[in-house]
Amino acid sequence: AQSVTQLGSHVSVSEGALVLLRCNYSSSVPPYLFWYVQYPNQGLQLLLKYTSAATLVKGINGFEAEFKKSETSFHLTKPSAHMSDAAEYFCAVSADSGGSNYKLTFGKGTLLTVNP
Amino acid sequence: EPEVTQTPSHQVTQMGQEVILRCVPISNHLYFYWYRQILGQKVEFLVSFYNNEISEKSEIFDDQFSVERPDGSNFTLKIRSTKLEDSAMYFCASIPQGSSYTFGSGTRLTVV
Repeated sequence: AQSVTQLGSHVSVSEGALVLLRCNYSSSVPPYLFWYVQYPNQGLQLLLKYTSAATLVKGINGFEAEFKKSETSFHLTKPSAHMSDAAEYFCAVSADSGGSNYKLTFGKGTLLTVNP
Repeated sequence: EPEVTQTPSHQVTQMGQEVILRCVPISNHLYFYWYRQILGQKVEFLVSFYNNEISEKSEIFDDQFSVERPDGSNFTLKIRSTKLEDSAMYFCASIPQGSSYTFGSGTRLTVV
């Protein structure tokens, strides 16, 4: 069984500040981990994914995440927030990464607001 | 860039009525999914569909739910007799072999 916990349902930062969105996972098999972003009235867009290669994963829009097995974490960071980063962010885990058919288990999401 | 298209964006229905949520996946994708998100809760897997049959379903996906690909392009989710607790955002997604999901923008279903 797999599960994801996102700490903080709402994170607020100032423009230019560090963004840190927390994700912890539980998995009985080596996990594949994902971060998705959802802008208002849009679908879920993949930001980045960890698939057992490099532990530091770089994604789109300047985001990155680090897989830490000892801490069962996959926190999302961005050095400098931009107003356009305001959105809801979802962490997800899977037992596979598209070899064939795979399902995602999501966290509850974290709403990021960016203040001018 | 190819998109997964969902219609309608918002549907209001009375309890006990049947609803059909529609999705047009990306044409060369092989695997199709429905997920839902009840307000304030997690995005949950409902069902996966491959080669014209269900490949996996969750415990949520009971006899009230069905999926089909009626014409080789559309992918539909039917709820036979809606309940208040079916109110949620429903997301369709598709993937080709060995790649990442493409999600639609969702249908917000409100059961009154």
